[in-house]
Amino acid sequence: DAGVTQSPTHLIKTRGQHVTLRCSPISGHKSVSWYQQVLGQGPQFIFQYYEKEERGRGNFPDRFSARQFPNYSSELNVNALLLGDSALYLCASSVAGGSGNTIYFGEGSWLTVV
Amino acid sequence: AQSVTQPDIHITVSEGASLELRCNYSYGATPYLFWYVQSPGQGLQLLLKYFSGDTLVQGIKGFEAEFKRSQSSFNLRKPSVHWSDAAEYFCAVGAQAGTALIFGKGTTLSVSS
Repeated sequence: DAGVTQSPTHLIKTRGQHVTLRCSPISGHKSVSWYQQVLGQGPQFIFQYYEKEERGRGNFPDRFSARQFPNYSSELNVNALLLGDSALYLCASSVAGGSGNTIYFGEGSWLTVV
Repeated sequence: AQSVTQPDIHITVSEGASLELRCNYSYGATPYLFWYVQSPGQGLQLLLKYFSGDTLVQGIKGFEAEFKRSQSSFNLRKPSVHWSDAAEYFCAVGAQAGTALIFGKGTTLSVSS
């Protein structure tokens, strides 16, 4: 069975641009979460979606937004990119919401902002 | 507020030696606790998790962790380290009714021959 898949794997953007990152959860998983991992740090929670509804939001500016589609895949959008947005963006899926469920991570999308 | 502290930024262990990675958490109730491993350029792989019950938890790749409520700790151990264990290790905590995992800053494990 396929794990959590993310695209693109690597991308370079210019300050001020917009980026869209995509995630497909494990088959049967209805919850998707997004994390940002800056080099040398642990992942930081951005969003969680369950059954297409936002269930949690971390301490990130409104430039960050996300959505979940009927097939449970998800997009993370970041507007007006800053140099500090350069990071590994990790998508994670679980059967249901709540951290009591095992969360499985994808390999991430490396974003470099120049 | 929830938080996780991994006191050791970098640890070097000889191949075949035992390993213990420290994790301390701050949380008002009994948390859900996790250890993840991340190889260079890769995503996170779950090693083990603690929800309730037996405080000694067995995971994959020969790892185990012990939950000690009195010390607010969840240390990761392995009796004999292999060169392939070299990676970044993250401890994480989640609220029972929450949605987000809070991660520590990680410990880099190097294995010497």
